Amino acid sequence: RKEVEQDPGPFNVPEGATVAFNCTYSNSASQSFFWYRQDCRKEPKLLMSVYSSGNEDGRFTAQLNRASQYISLLIRDSKLSDSATYLCVVNKMGYSTLTFGKGTMLLVSP
Amino acid sequence: EAGVVQSPRYKIIEKKQPVAFWCNPISGHNTLYWYRQNLGQGPELLIRYENEEAVDDSQLPKDRFSAERLKGVDSTLKIQPAELGDSAVYLCASSSSGTGGFYEQYFGPGTRLTVT
Repeated sequence: RKEVEQDPGPFNVPEGATVAFNCTYSNSASQSFFWYRQDCRKEPKLLMSVYSSGNEDGRFTAQLNRASQYISLLIRDSKLSDSATYLCVVNKMGYSTLTFGKGTMLLVSP
Repeated sequence: EAGVVQSPRYKIIEKKQPVAFWCNPISGHNTLYWYRQNLGQGPELLIRYENEEAVDDSQLPKDRFSAERLKGVDSTLKIQPAELGDSAVYLCASSSSGTGGFYEQYFGPGTRLTVT
């Protein structure tokens, strides 16, 4: 089993749609969780951290279920500019090594 | 503030040739990472430096890959000899701290290597 697994993409949605990405991780020692965004042929950039209590940043909501080792990202009211690949990322407390999932591509169309 | 700088941005070489990539991290960042990203995959860590010390190189193919960060600032990643399977994007990232907590990693634009 891979350390971090994500929904295979791409997800094709119209503007204004709500889309959810799912991610599971295999290492129960993982302590920190993140979503990164990567535009086509660009470098990954941190989108948001994921906290146990769940957290929201504008149209983006991230949730964590430690018991199920599951992370999610919800994007509401999708914009054309949200088109990108979303990478689920985990690391272990005390370690700076990030483990990335393969990413899920989102394509938002007019 | 300048971001992570990498050069070259693109490199095309024939197999068995050597190649080197250079990275200049964000000023003040003592942790530097080299990642490899294959097409359709997420980045995979090759090596992590804390200042000039390589503290995690478990995923670096040491038979052909080498890296250095002599003065704890710039870093060079080398492949010798290159193989067809080395074609990928090589990403450098830096952060302000290493173990003991998480500090956001900032990525450079990457070097896209094509081995023919």
